[in-house]
Amino acid sequence: GESVGLHLPTLSVQEGDNSIINCAYSNSASDYFIWYKQESGKGPQFIIDIRSNMDKRQGQRVTVLLNKTVKHLSLQIAATQPGDSAVYFCAENDPDSSASKIIFGSGTRLSIRP
Amino acid sequence: SQTIHQWPATLVQPVGSPLSLECTVEGTSNPNLYWYRQAAGRGLQLLFYSVGIGQISSEVPQNLSASRPQDRQFILSSKKLLLSDSGFYLCAWSVPGPVGEKLFFGSGTQLSVL
Repeated sequence: GESVGLHLPTLSVQEGDNSIINCAYSNSASDYFIWYKQESGKGPQFIIDIRSNMDKRQGQRVTVLLNKTVKHLSLQIAATQPGDSAVYFCAENDPDSSASKIIFGSGTRLSIRP
Repeated sequence: SQTIHQWPATLVQPVGSPLSLECTVEGTSNPNLYWYRQAAGRGLQLLFYSVGIGQISSEVPQNLSASRPQDRQFILSSKKLLLSDSGFYLCAWSVPGPVGEKLFFGSGTQLSVL
């Protein structure tokens, strides 16, 4: 669900290690999920998406996993690089809306240790 | 290719003054359009979305309004700004993808109300 009032949690990862960013959703009817990356002072950028009829989808260095049983979504970044430092948001299509209404989660700030 | 233009990049306005932020999309027809607001270090709050000319859905009751006078133009307005209107305003458009509908964001407007 939407948590726009919360301060962003932070994940600190050693450069070269894998990063795992987690997200929980509340509506079991949600059928489409997206991960976005937002660098400081910029608009969010699309990373990867997944439909509820899938449990895994891979991109370049990124993998999204969907566990519908526990309503959990994760983004895995392989071999984390300094350029991966950003805030990462999960988002979902609101299944209760007749139009394409996309709701964002609270976000996680990823910082990279050299 | 599709592009989204949002201006101005930064804006400083006194309390009680009017506001007009404009967003235009090129290279696509009949996009869904969105306005989000982001407080410093926080998540994204959906303010308005539009599925067509003159069709506006409001998510958060407040002193802001939105209009869509043309297919690819989305305007965010206020008659009298409040201090609490300060934030990072993002326009976005969406297009159906192979998996679902994804958002593309503008570069944002940093609004400071003093």
